[in-house]
Amino acid sequence: DGGITQSPKYLFRKEGQNVTLSCEQNLNHDAMYWYRQDPGQGLRLIYYSQIVNDFQKGDIAEGYSVSREKKESFPLTVTSAQKNPTAFYLCATYGGSLAYNEQFFGPGTRLTVL
Amino acid sequence: GENVEQHPSTLSVQEGDSAVIKCTYSDSASNYFPWYKQELGKRPQLIIDIRSNVGEKKDQRIAVTLNKTAKHFSLHITETQPEDSAVYFCAAKTDTGRRALTFGSGTRLQVQP
Repeated sequence: DGGITQSPKYLFRKEGQNVTLSCEQNLNHDAMYWYRQDPGQGLRLIYYSQIVNDFQKGDIAEGYSVSREKKESFPLTVTSAQKNPTAFYLCATYGGSLAYNEQFFGPGTRLTVL
Repeated sequence: GENVEQHPSTLSVQEGDSAVIKCTYSDSASNYFPWYKQELGKRPQLIIDIRSNVGEKKDQRIAVTLNKTAKHFSLHITETQPEDSAVYFCAAKTDTGRRALTFGSGTRLQVQP
């Protein structure tokens, strides 16, 4: 888990503002994921990328956008179209080995809308 | 897509007792089932996992069982300790497609000293 960094740890957004959450990894993993966690709930998939320059929508992609220009980086932008963005956001990576399935999580960013 | 249901949502046990958390999944193609422990404000931490070609796996006080026919899997914690208090999540994943985890809704375990 130490190979994934997320910044900032806390983020405050005003109504109508776009904000970008950073996720960087040095694990040399191909696949990266963004999850959203609401209080008392499980994690839900926002976007994922299995290779550089390619990404796919997850289950709750509306109001979010991503890019994957480098293997190490998978930033998430929360746009003003996301009406209820207050949540805990977790980035994760997966090495893709059939012998080792663990998905590694970053420390998370807590986003609050003001 | 995959759907994972988890029960109970809260569980309170006395220190030293056992705790059991159960999950069911819908996609018969799922073949990897991890369990995560999450403390308040922290990232989920993998505590044990099982692949579909195995029926049971143990790691000290923690065990996971899998019934592929019934599509359910369970976490068993024996000799619970106060430090086991946390939220536990089950998840399921396939080796194909998006290979993302689908999570259950979580179980808040409280171990009373």
